Formats: sequence, C-alpha cells, structure tokens
Amino acid sequence: GQQLNQSPQSMFIQEGEDVSMNCTSSSIFNTWLWYKQEPGEGPVLLIALYKAGELTSNGRLTAQFGITRKDSFLNISASIPSDVGIYFCAGDVEGANSKLTFGKGITLSVRP
Amino acid sequence: SQTIHQWPATLVQPVGSPLSLECTVEGTSNPNLYWYRQAAGRGLQLLFYSVGIGQISSEVPQNLSASRPQDRQFILSSKKLLLSDSGFYLCAWSVGGTVAYEQYFGPGTRLTVT
Repeated sequence: GQQLNQSPQSMFIQEGEDVSMNCTSSSIFNTWLWYKQEPGEGPVLLIALYKAGELTSNGRLTAQFGITRKDSFLNISASIPSDVGIYFCAGDVEGANSKLTFGKGITLSVRP
Repeated sequence: SQTIHQWPATLVQPVGSPLSLECTVEGTSNPNLYWYRQAAGRGLQLLFYSVGIGQISSEVPQNLSASRPQDRQFILSSKKLLLSDSGFYLCAWSVGGTVAYEQYFGPGTRLTVT
C-alpha cells in the first residue's frame, strides 16, 4: 500500500529556532494534512493542503503541497516550548474513499 | 461546532475479558467515522471505518469488531482481549457525503491488557 516517509524519527531544537519537516511518498497524493499530537491526547489538525504548490500558514506554521504531489513540508518558525509533540503528515490517494495514510511521525523536542 | 467524545479515558482489562469502547460525535450528521490504534505512542493504524449506520469496513483482520448502531455513535468491541490489544485507541470523524479528507480525532482511550 501507499507509504508516507517522515524522518528523522526525532528532532531536537533550541527555543527560538526554526524547524522544517518533510513528508515524502513514492505515490501521488491528492491531499496533504499535518497533525500535532501531544502526550496522552488525540492528534490535532494543523493544516490541510488540497492543491499542488499550495502554501498555507497557520500562525507560526507554514506548510506546502509539493509540485510533484509526492511530498509536503511543514515549517515551524521561532519555536517555543509548547511546540513539543509528535508531528504527523497524512494524505490520501485517489479512490481511497475518505481514508488517510499516515506517516510514522516526528517527535519534536524544544530546549528552553 | 462539532465535538467528539470517547470513553472511557483509560481502561485496564485482563486477558480474555471483553471490551467495549464508545465514541460519539456531536454537531454534525452522517459523518464518516474511524477507529485507529496507536502502539507505543507512534504510528496510527486504521482498524475500521464507517460511512453510515450499519456500514463497517475492516482494515486489519483481528479479534476486534466495530459497530455503528446510531448515526453518530461508533463502538469498538472484543469478545476476548489479547495482550497485543494494548494501546491507545483513537476515534475520528470526517464530513460525510463529500470528498473531504480532514479527519478530527477524539481524546483517545488508553487500554492496558494485563
């Protein structure tokens, strides 16, 4: 089946730094979604992207739908301690009947 | 606005006991509903999804089952739990009847099988 690749598994940054995360696939996706999950909670939708090349911001977060439709990235600017959590990318391929494929997630740690 | 509830929040059950987890959605009609399992705090595995009452699709064969007795209620069950059923169970919904892929998750249920 389709797979979404997220690496590295963990990232450690200093408060105030910017960080970028990629999500790639060998398949073409029609939709890209980015979620954040904090410990013991359900994932929260951050940004949804529906068109190739689309660039969308949500506060300090910016995400882009890759031109090839096989990748997406999420940028977090001026990180703060509450940015810690697991960041998942998710997407759908044509005919997926409203099902999403999820990446394995990147655990972000922010040092004060 | 829409809200999604799951209960219980945590559950400790012995091996071989039955299971029933409940998920309800408020503020929307005819949603698509999903059950996921997350092991060891990583990776979301889709277990079941439903596009309507009584319509259940299973993604992974196992000793779990799902039912949708009402439009906004989704139940995950097992007759006999296995140790490997431990994990964090998440329910999610998306807008039904449209090609909308944004899924919204509930707070989850932490299940420990002993």
